[in-house]
Amino acid sequence: AAGVIQSPRHLIKEKRETATLKCYPIPRHDTVYWYQQGPGQDPQFLISFYEKMQSDKGSIPDRFSAQQFSDYHSELNMSSLELGDSALYFCASSLGPRSGANVLTFGAGSRLTVL
Amino acid sequence: GDSVTQMEGPVTLSEEAFLTINCTYTATGYPSLFWYVQYPGEGLQLLLKATKADDKGSNKGFEATYRKETTSFHLEKGSVQVSDSAVYFCALSDSNSGNTPLVFGKGTRLSVIA
Repeated sequence: AAGVIQSPRHLIKEKRETATLKCYPIPRHDTVYWYQQGPGQDPQFLISFYEKMQSDKGSIPDRFSAQQFSDYHSELNMSSLELGDSALYFCASSLGPRSGANVLTFGAGSRLTVL
Repeated sequence: GDSVTQMEGPVTLSEEAFLTINCTYTATGYPSLFWYVQYPGEGLQLLLKATKADDKGSNKGFEATYRKETTSFHLEKGSVQVSDSAVYFCALSDSNSGNTPLVFGKGTRLSVIA
């Protein structure tokens, strides 16, 4: 079965650079979520989109932005990178409010290292 | 706001031992409850879920029962295997608010030794 696809899997950037992460949800899933997981930490919710509109906003820094496109894929743009941005970034997708219990399916994650 | 508290790890068990990982929650509504598992270097995988009080979720020998009276969703397995070594996250979703994001606990690392 198709899963959530994230790219790139690994990314190394210098401080103050920019980075873009991409997420391709499971087909027919209309809701996408972004989470950040620091080393040894629980995943922290950043932002979500439903039908290409922002749905919920969590602890996403102002330096970050995201959007969902017409094909439902999503991109997380990170600017002015800081050392503390080094983390695993997970994307998840779901069927949204049509599905009842909100079961999220996660991608394998993108590991960002800021030097 | 909604929150999840789970027992701190790491938890180290011998193969075939009984496992319990405690999880309690705080929520204003009637949340759906989940256990996710994260194997080394991988993403989070849904292990089991329960959507209403007294529901029991089960998968791969793991079980958890939604206890509204104690606001708990403890994870149990009767006989663990080395392959169960992973980090386990308890999570909730406020099912009254549509497609709300999951709120995770801090995670419990389980190591099973042969």
